[in-house]
Amino acid sequence: NAGVTQTPKFRILKIGQSMTLQCAQDMNHNYMYWYRQDPGMGLKLIYYSVGAGITDKGEVPNGYNVSRSTTEDFPLRLELAAPSQTSVYFCASSRDRAYGYTFGSGTRLTVV
Amino acid sequence: AQSVTQLGSHVSVSEGALVLLRCNYSSSVPPYLFWYVQYPNQGLQLLLKYTSAATLVKGINGFEAEFKKSETSFHLTKPSAHMSDAAEYFCAVTFSGGSQGNLIFGKGTKLSVKP
Repeated sequence: NAGVTQTPKFRILKIGQSMTLQCAQDMNHNYMYWYRQDPGMGLKLIYYSVGAGITDKGEVPNGYNVSRSTTEDFPLRLELAAPSQTSVYFCASSRDRAYGYTFGSGTRLTVV
Repeated sequence: AQSVTQLGSHVSVSEGALVLLRCNYSSSVPPYLFWYVQYPNQGLQLLLKYTSAATLVKGINGFEAEFKKSETSFHLTKPSAHMSDAAEYFCAVTFSGGSQGNLIFGKGTKLSVKP
Protein backbone atom coordinates (compact mmCIF):
# COMPACT_ATOMS: atom_id res chain seq x y z
CA ASN A 1 0.00 0.00 0.00
CA ALA A 2 1.20 3.50 -0.81
CA GLY A 3 -0.62 5.03 2.20
CA VAL A 4 -0.52 8.84 2.01
CA THR A 5 1.42 10.34 -0.89
CA GLN A 6 2.48 13.97 -0.94
CA THR A 7 3.97 15.90 -3.84
CA PRO A 8 6.24 17.74 -4.31
CA LYS A 9 8.80 16.92 -1.60
CA PHE A 10 10.55 20.27 -1.89
CA ARG A 11 9.61 23.61 -3.39
CA ILE A 12 10.94 27.15 -3.40
CA LEU A 13 8.41 29.89 -4.09
CA LYS A 14 8.83 33.59 -4.56
CA ILE A 15 6.71 35.98 -2.52
CA GLY A 16 3.32 36.41 -4.16
CA GLN A 17 3.41 33.18 -6.16
CA SER A 18 0.80 30.47 -5.77
CA MET A 19 1.03 26.70 -5.67
CA THR A 20 -0.89 23.56 -4.83
CA LEU A 21 0.43 20.86 -2.53
CA GLN A 22 -0.96 17.51 -3.54
CA CYS A 23 -2.10 14.77 -1.16
CA ALA A 24 -3.58 11.40 -2.05
CA GLN A 25 -4.45 8.36 0.07
CA ASP A 26 -5.40 4.87 -1.02
CA MET A 27 -6.87 3.57 2.25
CA ASN A 28 -10.42 4.79 1.68
CA HIS A 29 -10.21 7.00 4.78
CA ASN A 30 -12.93 9.58 5.21
CA TYR A 31 -10.91 11.95 7.38
CA MET A 32 -8.02 13.93 5.93
CA TYR A 33 -5.92 16.71 7.42
CA TRP A 34 -3.28 19.28 6.58
CA TYR A 35 -0.75 20.30 9.22
CA ARG A 36 2.23 22.58 9.16
CA GLN A 37 5.30 21.91 11.28
CA ASP A 38 7.62 24.66 12.43
CA PRO A 39 10.71 24.04 14.60
CA GLY A 40 9.87 23.80 18.29
CA MET A 41 6.17 24.41 17.67
CA GLY A 42 4.81 20.94 17.03
CA LEU A 43 2.14 20.54 14.38
CA LYS A 44 -0.62 23.05 13.73
CA LEU A 45 -3.83 22.08 11.94
CA ILE A 46 -4.54 24.11 8.81
CA TYR A 47 -7.65 22.44 7.35
CA TYR A 48 -9.41 19.14 7.65
CA SER A 49 -12.09 17.17 5.82
CA VAL A 50 -14.53 14.54 7.04
CA GLY A 51 -15.45 13.33 3.58
CA ALA A 52 -15.74 14.28 -0.06
CA GLY A 53 -17.25 17.73 -0.43
CA ILE A 54 -16.84 18.67 3.25
CA THR A 55 -13.96 20.76 4.57
CA ASP A 56 -13.42 22.97 7.59
CA LYS A 57 -10.82 25.32 9.03
CA GLY A 58 -8.31 24.32 11.63
CA GLU A 59 -6.16 26.44 13.89
CA VAL A 60 -4.13 28.30 11.23
CA PRO A 61 -6.15 28.51 7.97
CA ASN A 62 -5.25 32.04 6.83
CA GLY A 63 -3.49 32.12 3.46
CA TYR A 64 -4.60 28.59 2.52
CA ASN A 65 -7.50 26.91 0.78
CA VAL A 66 -8.52 23.31 0.30
CA SER A 67 -10.96 21.22 -1.68
CA ARG A 68 -12.10 17.62 -1.42
CA SER A 69 -13.78 16.46 -4.59
CA THR A 70 -12.94 12.76 -4.05
CA THR A 71 -12.28 10.53 -1.05
CA GLU A 72 -8.69 10.00 -2.21
CA ASP A 73 -7.44 13.55 -2.84
CA PHE A 74 -7.09 16.58 -0.57
CA PRO A 75 -4.99 19.33 -2.20
CA LEU A 76 -3.84 22.40 -0.28
CA ARG A 77 -3.68 25.68 -2.18
CA LEU A 78 -1.40 28.57 -1.22
CA GLU A 79 -2.39 31.90 -2.71
CA LEU A 80 0.01 34.86 -2.62
CA ALA A 81 2.83 33.06 -0.82
CA ALA A 82 4.44 34.88 2.10
CA PRO A 83 7.68 34.17 4.02
CA SER A 84 5.55 33.18 7.05
CA GLN A 85 4.38 30.17 5.04
CA THR A 86 7.88 28.74 4.96
CA SER A 87 7.34 25.43 6.74
CA VAL A 88 7.07 21.69 6.38
CA TYR A 89 3.57 20.60 5.43
CA PHE A 90 2.13 17.22 6.33
CA CYS A 91 -0.99 15.60 5.02
CA ALA A 92 -2.61 12.83 7.06
CA SER A 93 -5.64 10.59 6.90
CA SER A 94 -7.57 8.49 9.40
CA ARG A 95 -10.41 6.01 9.60
CA ASP A 96 -11.62 7.54 12.84
CA ARG A 97 -10.16 9.23 15.90
CA ALA A 98 -9.42 6.03 17.79
CA TYR A 99 -7.06 4.77 15.09
CA GLY A 100 -4.76 7.76 14.88
CA TYR A 101 -3.40 9.18 11.68
CA THR A 102 -1.32 7.93 8.77
CA PHE A 103 1.05 10.69 7.66
CA GLY A 104 2.61 11.48 4.35
CA SER A 105 6.34 12.17 4.11
CA GLY A 106 5.87 15.93 3.94
CA THR A 107 6.54 18.88 1.63
CA ARG A 108 9.28 21.30 2.58
CA LEU A 109 8.31 24.75 1.32
CA THR A 110 10.51 27.82 1.32
CA VAL A 111 9.14 31.24 0.38
CA VAL A 112 11.78 33.81 -0.57
CA ALA B 1 -9.15 24.48 26.65
CA GLN B 2 -7.88 21.04 25.81
CA SER B 3 -4.13 20.80 25.45
CA VAL B 4 -1.10 18.57 25.68
CA THR B 5 2.26 19.46 27.20
CA GLN B 6 5.53 17.69 26.68
CA LEU B 7 8.10 18.41 29.36
CA GLY B 8 11.57 18.91 27.95
CA SER B 9 12.25 19.86 24.35
CA HIS B 10 15.51 17.86 24.41
CA VAL B 11 16.36 14.68 26.29
CA SER B 12 19.74 13.00 26.13
CA VAL B 13 20.44 9.46 27.36
CA SER B 14 23.26 7.00 27.05
CA GLU B 15 22.85 3.85 25.01
CA GLY B 16 21.35 1.17 27.24
CA ALA B 17 19.82 3.66 29.67
CA LEU B 18 16.15 4.14 30.46
CA VAL B 19 14.22 6.45 28.17
CA LEU B 20 11.47 8.56 29.78
CA LEU B 21 9.60 11.17 27.75
CA ARG B 22 6.90 13.06 29.58
CA CYS B 23 3.44 14.03 28.37
CA ASN B 24 0.59 15.63 30.28
CA TYR B 25 -2.82 16.53 28.92
CA SER B 26 -5.77 18.58 30.03
CA SER B 27 -9.29 17.46 29.29
CA SER B 28 -12.72 17.37 30.85
CA VAL B 29 -13.71 14.30 28.80
CA PRO B 30 -12.03 10.92 28.30
CA PRO B 31 -9.04 11.28 25.99
CA TYR B 32 -7.52 9.17 23.28
CA LEU B 33 -3.73 9.50 23.53
CA PHE B 34 -1.00 8.80 21.01
CA TRP B 35 2.76 8.86 20.70
CA TYR B 36 4.37 9.46 17.32
CA VAL B 37 8.01 9.31 16.28
CA GLN B 38 9.62 11.40 13.56
CA TYR B 39 13.02 10.52 12.12
CA PRO B 40 14.92 13.27 10.30
CA ASN B 41 13.31 14.40 7.05
CA GLN B 42 10.47 11.93 7.42
CA GLY B 43 6.80 11.98 8.32
CA LEU B 44 5.36 10.94 11.67
CA GLN B 45 4.93 7.27 12.50
CA LEU B 46 2.54 5.95 15.13
CA LEU B 47 4.36 4.35 18.09
CA LEU B 48 1.40 3.48 20.29
CA LYS B 49 -2.04 4.61 21.35
CA TYR B 50 -4.40 4.58 24.31
CA THR B 51 -8.11 4.40 23.57
CA SER B 52 -9.68 3.51 26.94
CA ALA B 53 -8.73 -0.17 27.07
CA ALA B 54 -5.63 -1.28 29.05
CA THR B 55 -3.86 1.60 30.78
CA LEU B 56 -0.40 0.16 29.99
CA VAL B 57 0.08 0.27 26.26
CA LYS B 58 2.87 -1.44 24.37
CA GLY B 59 4.04 -0.12 21.03
CA ILE B 60 6.63 -0.73 18.39
CA ASN B 61 10.41 -0.78 18.93
CA GLY B 62 10.10 -1.73 22.62
CA PHE B 63 8.31 1.47 23.71
CA GLU B 64 5.42 1.54 26.13
CA ALA B 65 3.31 4.17 27.85
CA GLU B 66 1.03 4.21 30.86
CA PHE B 67 -2.17 6.22 31.06
CA LYS B 68 -2.61 7.70 34.55
CA LYS B 69 -5.90 9.50 34.84
CA SER B 70 -5.21 10.87 38.32
CA GLU B 71 -2.02 12.52 37.04
CA THR B 72 -3.40 13.34 33.55
CA SER B 73 -0.21 11.83 32.16
CA PHE B 74 0.84 9.49 29.37
CA HIS B 75 4.61 9.18 29.68
CA LEU B 76 6.59 7.18 27.13
CA THR B 77 9.27 4.77 28.32
CA LYS B 78 11.77 2.27 26.98
CA PRO B 79 13.95 0.21 29.34
CA SER B 80 17.12 0.35 27.23
CA ALA B 81 17.88 3.03 24.66
CA HIS B 82 19.37 2.16 21.30
CA MET B 83 21.18 4.49 18.93
CA SER B 84 18.37 4.03 16.43
CA ASP B 85 15.90 5.60 18.91
CA ALA B 86 17.36 9.05 18.26
CA ALA B 87 14.45 11.01 16.81
CA GLU B 88 11.77 13.51 17.73
CA TYR B 89 8.76 12.25 19.66
CA PHE B 90 5.34 13.82 19.72
CA CYS B 91 2.52 13.22 22.15
CA ALA B 92 -0.95 13.87 20.76
CA VAL B 93 -4.47 13.81 22.14
CA THR B 94 -7.99 13.79 20.87
CA PHE B 95 -11.18 13.55 22.82
CA SER B 96 -14.38 11.60 22.58
CA GLY B 97 -16.23 14.90 22.42
CA GLY B 98 -13.73 16.60 20.13
CA SER B 99 -14.30 18.04 16.70
CA GLN B 100 -13.98 15.35 14.04
CA GLY B 101 -11.12 13.57 15.78
CA ASN B 102 -8.58 16.33 15.22
CA LEU B 103 -5.37 15.52 17.02
CA ILE B 104 -3.76 18.17 19.21
CA PHE B 105 0.01 17.76 19.25
CA GLY B 106 2.58 18.65 21.84
CA LYS B 107 5.63 20.62 20.75
CA GLY B 108 7.82 17.54 20.60
CA THR B 109 10.81 16.14 22.47
CA LYS B 110 14.04 15.49 20.62
CA LEU B 111 15.77 12.39 21.95
CA SER B 112 19.53 12.05 21.60
CA VAL B 113 21.29 8.77 22.38
CA LYS B 114 24.97 8.88 23.30
CA PRO B 115 27.22 5.88 22.61
